[in-house]
Amino acid sequence: EVQLVESGGGLVKPGGSLRLSCAASGFSFNSHSMNWVRQAPGKGLEWVSSITSYSSYIYNAELVKGRFTISRDNAKNSLYLQMNSLRAEDTAVYYCARDFAKEGGEGYYFDHWGQGTLVTVSS
Amino acid sequence: SYVLTQPPSVSVAPGKTARITCGGNNIGSKSVHWYQQKPGQAPVVVIYYDSDRPSGIPERFSGSNSGNTATLTISTVEAGDEADYYCQVWDTISDHWVFGGGTKLTVL
Repeated sequence: EVQLVESGGGLVKPGGSLRLSCAASGFSFNSHSMNWVRQAPGKGLEWVSSITSYSSYIYNAELVKGRFTISRDNAKNSLYLQMNSLRAEDTAVYYCARDFAKEGGEGYYFDHWGQGTLVTVSS
Repeated sequence: SYVLTQPPSVSVAPGKTARITCGGNNIGSKSVHWYQQKPGQAPVVVIYYDSDRPSGIPERFSGSNSGNTATLTISTVEAGDEADYYCQVWDTISDHWVFGGGTKLTVL
């Protein structure tokens, strides 16, 4: 069974840093690109960052460029999001999600999601 | 940047058909995915590649995509379908994932 478990969320002051982790199990982690998606309270889904299976390519949303860094450790089956210079508007539940492409399909989609970890940025 | 536009809300009576649209410039040339999110839960994919349905998703869920509009159709709506629905595409110009703003489906 595919499982994605996020951790590392919490309360942090503006300007502070936090590192989120996503522990993956039940599948071959190094065969999949991975993603972070966030959701501010009462708001919609917002894509944050993506990383390919061997970290060859990284894609970031404009809002987090220069502040957030996605990384992964395939030996530990783990995905990370280092968040620096945090702002109140970064307050959200952060989800990790697995990329999947069906054979012969047109591109990828997010077939499994974790339950999320809440990040609150407040003084 | 690429923008996906969804109606904020759609209401439908039980047993009727709900249609949720997702508008985008020439979205018909892209592969559209739809996610269902119930309160306090993580999103779940209900339609991928415009119209494919994952195992475990009822046949009542279907999708189409043409021109500037993709549509998620839920037939014979049940109370349990009440949720937020999001469309998603990959924008090849910016190399960004894009989500629509979401549509709250209310079952009357």
